[in-house]
Amino acid sequence: GAGVSQSPSNKVTEKGKDVELRCDPISGHTALYWYRQSLGQGLEFLIYFQGNSAPDKSGLPSDRFSAERTGGSVSTLTIQRTQQEDSAVYLCASSSGGNNQPQHFGDGTRLSIL
Amino acid sequence: GNSVTQMEGPVTLSEEAFLTINCTYTATGYPSLFWYVQYPGEGLQLLLKATKADDKGSNKGFEATYRKETTSFHLEKGSVQVSDSAVYFCALSNFGNEKLTFGTGTRLTIIP
Repeated sequence: GAGVSQSPSNKVTEKGKDVELRCDPISGHTALYWYRQSLGQGLEFLIYFQGNSAPDKSGLPSDRFSAERTGGSVSTLTIQRTQQEDSAVYLCASSSGGNNQPQHFGDGTRLSIL
Repeated sequence: GNSVTQMEGPVTLSEEAFLTINCTYTATGYPSLFWYVQYPGEGLQLLLKATKADDKGSNKGFEATYRKETTSFHLEKGSVQVSDSAVYFCALSNFGNEKLTFGTGTRLTIIP
């Protein structure tokens, strides 16, 4: 497709389980970003990839959160031992790189921890 | 560090009214500035951007001017429509640090 694709669109899981969220960026975009949107915290940056490297992972809230990107394309965000405070919409964005280029967002994965 | 302060909402206006949503920022250097919009049930979309001082971004009748002297990027529209009802986010991205820093968002409702 032409846009950023995220899957699943919704995920409900029990506290303590691990989850994997997937992001497929726009073809040719070298930069990929993960954000989290929650009622209490607004839109928060999590991690940024340039190619397969992550020069900025300063927004990951704890060591339960990790992300990787392979082949300069698809990225996976993994949350281990989920907690209720992890409930949020996880957004992925991609761009052609550089701070003056707009980031194009996917529709997000709504994660609910029971 | 970088920060964005955005006008608190919610904002309710009548159709054809003039809209201003205030946004001010704190950043070192010369950030790029953006307005994103999130329509009900949809994802974040870029509305407009400006990458240097005095630039004016515009799209769909919305405008915002990058004012370095007042560190502001206020969003304006001369005549709003019901279809403009959405949440609007002001954001910045700084050179060498590409992540977006967002404001808290302003929910806009236009009534016929």
